[in-house]
Amino acid sequence: AQSVTQLGSHVSVSEGALVLLRCNYSSSVPPYLFWYVQYPNQGLQLLLKYTSAATLVKGINGFEAEFKKSETSFHLTKPSAHMSDAAEYFCAVSDQNYGGSQGNLIFGKGTKLSVKP
Amino acid sequence: GAGVSQSPSNKVTEKGKDVELRCDPISGHTALYWYRQSLGQGLEFLIYFQGNSAPDKSGLPSDRFSAERTGGSVSTLTIQRTQQEDSAVYLCASSLAVDRGYEQYFGPGTRLTVT
Repeated sequence: AQSVTQLGSHVSVSEGALVLLRCNYSSSVPPYLFWYVQYPNQGLQLLLKYTSAATLVKGINGFEAEFKKSETSFHLTKPSAHMSDAAEYFCAVSDQNYGGSQGNLIFGKGTKLSVKP
Repeated sequence: GAGVSQSPSNKVTEKGKDVELRCDPISGHTALYWYRQSLGQGLEFLIYFQGNSAPDKSGLPSDRFSAERTGGSVSTLTIQRTQQEDSAVYLCASSLAVDRGYEQYFGPGTRLTVT
């Protein structure tokens, strides 16, 4: 079975500072991993995904994530935070077993990012 | 092109009433997913459709919940005899196919409040 743990329900950074949002996964098969962002009263938007190609994945809005199998991690980073990055971020793993895929996502609890001016 | 749309955006209902939530996926997307987002449970998967077929309904929280999809397009999630614990945001997503590599595009959600 697959699961995702996001460390830190709230993260606060200053504008221009490094953003680091942590995600650890558990998966019985090679995982497909995703980061989504949710702005207030909106749906989820895909930031980036890992699908077993390059371990360093670049996404939209300057975000990137590195897949580390040895650490079962997929942390999200951005070198310099912007006020517009304030939102809730969700890490997810695609539900999968060797019998087949439903394609549905299993989400972490989310991390709310605040950016201080 | 148009994204995933959901209606209504907000729904307030009395306990015990039935509600229908609608999802219009992106045209041409064969896979459709329903999720529920609540403060206590986070984001939970409810059900998915491959075309008009829902192969696995085990994610639905109770037999008061049902869903259908017609014409490979619009889907309706129905909650019968609503309870206060059903209060949540119901999100719909669609993707090109049922495969873990495909991106899911989410709608804005329907906020359901049961009083």
